[in-house]
Amino acid sequence: AQSVTQLDSHVSVSEGTPVLLRCNYSSSYSPSLFWYVQHPNKGLQLLLKYTSAATLVKGINGFEAEFKKSETSFHLTKPSAHMSDAAEYFCVVTLPGTGRRALTFGSGTRLQVQP
Amino acid sequence: GAVVSQHPSWVICKSGTSVKIECRSLDFQATTMFWYRQFPKQSLMLMATSNEGSKATYEQGVEKDKFLINHASLTLSTLTVTSAHPEDSSFYICSAIGGDDTQYFGPGTRLTVL
Repeated sequence: AQSVTQLDSHVSVSEGTPVLLRCNYSSSYSPSLFWYVQHPNKGLQLLLKYTSAATLVKGINGFEAEFKKSETSFHLTKPSAHMSDAAEYFCVVTLPGTGRRALTFGSGTRLQVQP
Repeated sequence: GAVVSQHPSWVICKSGTSVKIECRSLDFQATTMFWYRQFPKQSLMLMATSNEGSKATYEQGVEKDKFLINHASLTLSTLTVTSAHPEDSSFYICSAIGGDDTQYFGPGTRLTVL
């Protein structure tokens, strides 16, 4: 069984300040982990993914995430927030090599960026 | 990159009618597609797994006779909401697995049942 917990339902930052969106996972096996972003009334866009290669994963739009097995965490960070980053972010887990199986979604974190 | 489209992007229908939503993988073939449902301010909930050439696999609690899924080709899966009711109003999102084993999502379809 696997699950993912996003620790904050809502995060608000000022433009130009760092972003931290927290995610903890639970999995019986070494998981594959993803971060997706969803803008209002839009589908999901893949930001980055971890599949047991480098533990620090760089994604699009300046985002990155670090896989920490000892802490069962996969937090998403960005050094400097931009207004266009305001959106809903989902942390997702699945078993590796089983892409044909469905993803398990976290509950989402809404990122608000203040001018 | 892998692109998934959905049509229509939004639809309004009367209660009791049926609505068909299409999901297409535009630049890759997908033997497996997934259908999700998302309520306002909530996460995505998996409804069913659509397999090309075979019957879909439905998640517990999803009525297969109400949400008909057809995956007739390697690039097209359809979801038909039969005898729609207001409680079926939701945002429906499909995804398809690309060659890199990553799921790519469509832009979603907003269904409103009056």
